[in-house]
Amino acid sequence: DTEVTQTPKHLVMGMTNKKSLKCEQHMGHRAMYWYKQKAKKPPELMFVYSYEKLSINESVPSRFSPECPNSSLLNLHLHALQPEDSALYLCASSQDKGAGNTIYFGEGSWLTVV
Amino acid sequence: ILNVEQSPQSLHVQEGDSTNFTCSFPSSNFYALHWYRWETAKSPEALFVMTLNGDEKKKGRISATLNTKEGYSYLYIKGSQPEDSATYLCAPTTYYGGATNKLIFGTGTLLAVQP
Repeated sequence: DTEVTQTPKHLVMGMTNKKSLKCEQHMGHRAMYWYKQKAKKPPELMFVYSYEKLSINESVPSRFSPECPNSSLLNLHLHALQPEDSALYLCASSQDKGAGNTIYFGEGSWLTVV
Repeated sequence: ILNVEQSPQSLHVQEGDSTNFTCSFPSSNFYALHWYRWETAKSPEALFVMTLNGDEKKKGRISATLNTKEGYSYLYIKGSQPEDSATYLCAPTTYYGGATNKLIFGTGTLLAVQP
């Protein structure tokens, strides 16, 4: 079973709201990722977690705050977002962060900031 | 920053046609090349991970080749079916901070197969 589950599938939030996106995998993977995809663009890496520790932050604004409470869960906390942050947010996981491991993606969470 | 190019941007073929797309990437510091198939409203599906120059991989009617020296990969679909309609994305990874699995996606090739 190669499944990464993301919730919610759709989220509409105001610029002053605080919300969270959640991601879960039960494949025993120790690397988890957040990607962001804007319309008609390829997905772009935001964060990489390896063994529950933040490994890569691609200079993402602090209004996005990732959290990895355990090896199966990855959250993305959202606060004071801007309308231009509206996008598809994809969570992914792999056995570990080593290049060459297959990365498995969830279906994504569609975020609209109003 | 890696510049990953895919061509063509889109492709319309008839059912039964065979087709191929190209992924071009810088050959320096190359580590691995990932291919994904992404249908609308679904998660990107991993097709292949390729690392060796001259590597060729096959999954059903889909196959891929890799040339790391010149920095390109081809994806072939034999006898296209309507269910092959999707966006096909390639993503190389490089030696980055210990060869971390950092995918840099190309813009994709949108394939539409007409019955």
